[in-house]
Amino acid sequence: NAGVTQTPKFQVLKTGQSMTLQCAQDMNHEYMSWYRQDPGMGLRLIHYSVGAGITDQGEVPNGYNVSRSTTEDFPLRLLSAAPSQTSVYFCASSSRGRGNTIYFGEGSWLTVV
Amino acid sequence: DQQVKQNSPSLSVQEGRISILNCDYTNSMFDYFLWYKKYPAEGPTFLISISSIKDKNEDGRFTVFLNKSAKHLSLHIVPSQPGDSAVYFCAASASGGAAGNKLTFGGGTRVLVKP
Repeated sequence: NAGVTQTPKFQVLKTGQSMTLQCAQDMNHEYMSWYRQDPGMGLRLIHYSVGAGITDQGEVPNGYNVSRSTTEDFPLRLLSAAPSQTSVYFCASSSRGRGNTIYFGEGSWLTVV
Repeated sequence: DQQVKQNSPSLSVQEGRISILNCDYTNSMFDYFLWYKKYPAEGPTFLISISSIKDKNEDGRFTVFLNKSAKHLSLHIVPSQPGDSAVYFCAASASGGAAGNKLTFGGGTRVLVKP
């Protein structure tokens, strides 16, 4: 069972570079989201999607873009990387409705130098 | 301003004893609360949840208590086992819209269970 798959697992970027973190789920979940985890801050919501073609901003969206062209994929784009974006990124998915389990990917470690 | 706070960054407990993790929240719109467990280099995994219409939910060794008037919840692990050593996150969501996937997390509590 693949579940939620994130790639790459590790990435080093130079300031100003752009890149895309990939997220795919094979559970036919409507909801997908991206979080970042920083020390002592827990996980903070960056962007989320309730279905293909629908996205919205979370708590910390600046510097990131998302799109949802298919149910399975929800890529996160860093437009111009900054050292403040050094973090661990987690993609999550769940089916519609309260109380349904939210599944997380294993994380993508990003360092911006 | 953090809406969900876990004031104890770490907790050490002897195997077989009870672990009690605490979480406070400030947003009165939160009506669904969850606990996640996270091992190093892995994503968080769901542990247990509670709706605001309840004050207790139990699943095996794990029990979550909710005190709405105090805006406080706690997770009890009894008995604690070495495999419970991990970081535990408290999370909350508010009803309406795509609330199911919009979680606000606390900063986490690292639990170490000593054999």
